[in-house]
Amino acid sequence: SQTIHQWPATLVQPVGSPLSLECTVEGTSNPNLYWYRQAAGRGLQLLFYSVGIGQISSEVPQNLSASRPQDRQFILSSKKLLLSDSGFYLCACDRPRGGYTFGSGTRLTVV
Amino acid sequence: GDSVTQMEGPVTLSEEACLTINCTYTATGYPSLFWYVQYPGEGLQLLLKATKADDKGSNKGFEATYRKETTSFHLEKGSVQVSDSAVYFCALSDANDMRFGAGTRLTVKP
Repeated sequence: SQTIHQWPATLVQPVGSPLSLECTVEGTSNPNLYWYRQAAGRGLQLLFYSVGIGQISSEVPQNLSASRPQDRQFILSSKKLLLSDSGFYLCACDRPRGGYTFGSGTRLTVV
Repeated sequence: GDSVTQMEGPVTLSEEACLTINCTYTATGYPSLFWYVQYPGEGLQLLLKATKADDKGSNKGFEATYRKETTSFHLEKGSVQVSDSAVYFCALSDANDMRFGAGTRLTVKP
């Protein structure tokens, strides 16, 4: 079965600092991968998705970028964090029979 | 475009009470429908799904039936437990596009 690993679990970063969140997938090949953000008490916002190595689609213009250097690796980055980047970041991949498998998430607080 | 609307929370119930969380959808095609659950501090987990009209998804005592005539996929459980306290998300998928509802927070008190 598929497993998604995300790290770190929590992160506190100052405004203006860089960010790198990593997501790796096990148990599947050539998955579609997704980055979501969940602001406090709110729903899910799709940030990026990728259908293959080096292929990134951005859903929302923002201070973030994504990369997929390997088939099962998806990275979320920022050069300079803003306060509004705080939130709970979730990586997900397609399940073979429908739906998504999610990682355990990274809680980012920008101070 | 396709969208999902679910009842606003929060919902607070006593243990062993019946639960219904309403979910309706708008779609041009024939989407698959899902319920996800998010426990505090964790990612989302797929709870159940239905891929065509009149299908019933079920898991852990929860059920939802794909009703095409009413474009609904309401989540039900006959007797909730404290451990069911979580946020529940309704979602639909058409082709490769997954749309989530805003989530409904459920708190079950002993």
